Amino acid sequence: QLQLQESGPGLVKPSETLSLTCTVSGGSISSSSYYWGWIRQPPRKGLEWIGSIYYSGSTYYNPSLKSRVTISVDTSKSLFSLKLSSVTAADTAVYYCAVSVAGSSEVAWFDPWGQGTLVTVSS
Amino acid sequence: SSELTQDPAVSVALGQTVRITCLGDSLRTYYAGWYQQKPGQAPVLVIYGKNNRPSGIPDRFSGSSSGDTASLTITGAQAEDEADYYCNSRDISGDHLVVFGGGTKLTVL
Repeated sequence: QLQLQESGPGLVKPSETLSLTCTVSGGSISSSSYYWGWIRQPPRKGLEWIGSIYYSGSTYYNPSLKSRVTISVDTSKSLFSLKLSSVTAADTAVYYCAVSVAGSSEVAWFDPWGQGTLVTVSS
Repeated sequence: SSELTQDPAVSVALGQTVRITCLGDSLRTYYAGWYQQKPGQAPVLVIYGKNNRPSGIPDRFSGSSSGDTASLTITGAQAEDEADYYCNSRDISGDHLVVFGGGTKLTVL
């Protein structure tokens, strides 16, 4: 079954760019069946969808973050990536990658998730 | 973008039944997903669609939907069900956008 694993720096300075990757195993990242997503959770707060990417490269972003977010996919390495620019302390969160199934309602249902990685924005 | 509203906290006596609700305009069009999150762990999908459980999810978890409200029901709540529960769905305000509810903290007494 699909397994996802996030990786990247745990500390980013304010105004810099946060960069994370999610490595996919147990299935094909090139499959037309899946959307690959990023979700984050600030400490002691709820979940916030950041965006998703389809194998074709089509991207969908949370309007509140759209100006700062880029999600890309590297099929040769079976991974997809998140870049969030001009970060502030408000971007401190656990960042999760997850997968959803292509479909009308299904695109929103993420299963499974990676274990998550804490990114702290601080100088 | 649309919103999904959940009660911040709900409690249930051990072995009793509890319903957690999620309210939002998007639920008139799209089915919800429900996630269980225990401290320090990633969320786990427990219910999706009309009333579907992923493999490994106990059958005491069930889902339903009516109008703009989706519900997660736990029949015979166990101590291990104490967790945060989040609903989510596709957002009606844009193409392939996704929205999460604010979460409900379930306490099993």
